Amino acid sequence: DAGVIQSPRHEVTEMGQEVTLRCKPISGHDYLFWYRQTMMRGLELLIYFNNNVPIDDSGMPEDRFSAKMPNASFSTLKIQPSEPRDSAVYFCASSPPSGDRLRTQHFGDGTRLSIL
Amino acid sequence: DQQVKQNSPSLSVQEGRISILNCDYTNSMFDYFLWYKKYPAEGPTFLISISSIKDKNEDGRFTVFLNKSAKHLSLHIVPSQPGDSAVYFCAARGESSGSARQLTFGSGTQLTVLP
Repeated sequence: DAGVIQSPRHEVTEMGQEVTLRCKPISGHDYLFWYRQTMMRGLELLIYFNNNVPIDDSGMPEDRFSAKMPNASFSTLKIQPSEPRDSAVYFCASSPPSGDRLRTQHFGDGTRLSIL
Repeated sequence: DQQVKQNSPSLSVQEGRISILNCDYTNSMFDYFLWYKKYPAEGPTFLISISSIKDKNEDGRFTVFLNKSAKHLSLHIVPSQPGDSAVYFCAARGESSGSARQLTFGSGTQLTVLP
């Protein structure tokens, strides 16, 4: 089975540029999560969707961050304009629908973002 | 304010011995707890979980203990193997922010098992 797929795996860009991170969740999963991992703060939830609808974006650090989920198989996280402090590993995760006994989140391998 | 805390950023254990990773939480509404394991350049993967109605769950070499009164859980790995070397994240799920699906993670503990 294909897991959560994230692209790109690595992104290096200059400060001020727009950055777009992409995620394809596991087919049939109806929850999608975006996380950010930094040395200082560990793993933080940024935003999550249920059935393509954003449910809680309280973890999004600033208006420079935005996330969309146009359909059940694709989501993007955008940073515009990017800043050096946005450098981190960004993870996408998806979760199966309620009633599934597993009830866990499956993570992608992450996008390592470096803003110069 | 961190609701899930892993106060030990790192732990080193000799191969064959027991590894004990600790996690404390503050939110009494958490009803489900999970441990994830993460290797470098990969995403976290689910390891073991426990419901708040239990105090122990065992899966092979891995056992999770939950002490609700102390708001503390621990992961025991015995015997520890070099392949267990990874970052271990504790996570809790509850009705925070209006959803039972949201996980709150600790900051992780790097376990190194020495051969």
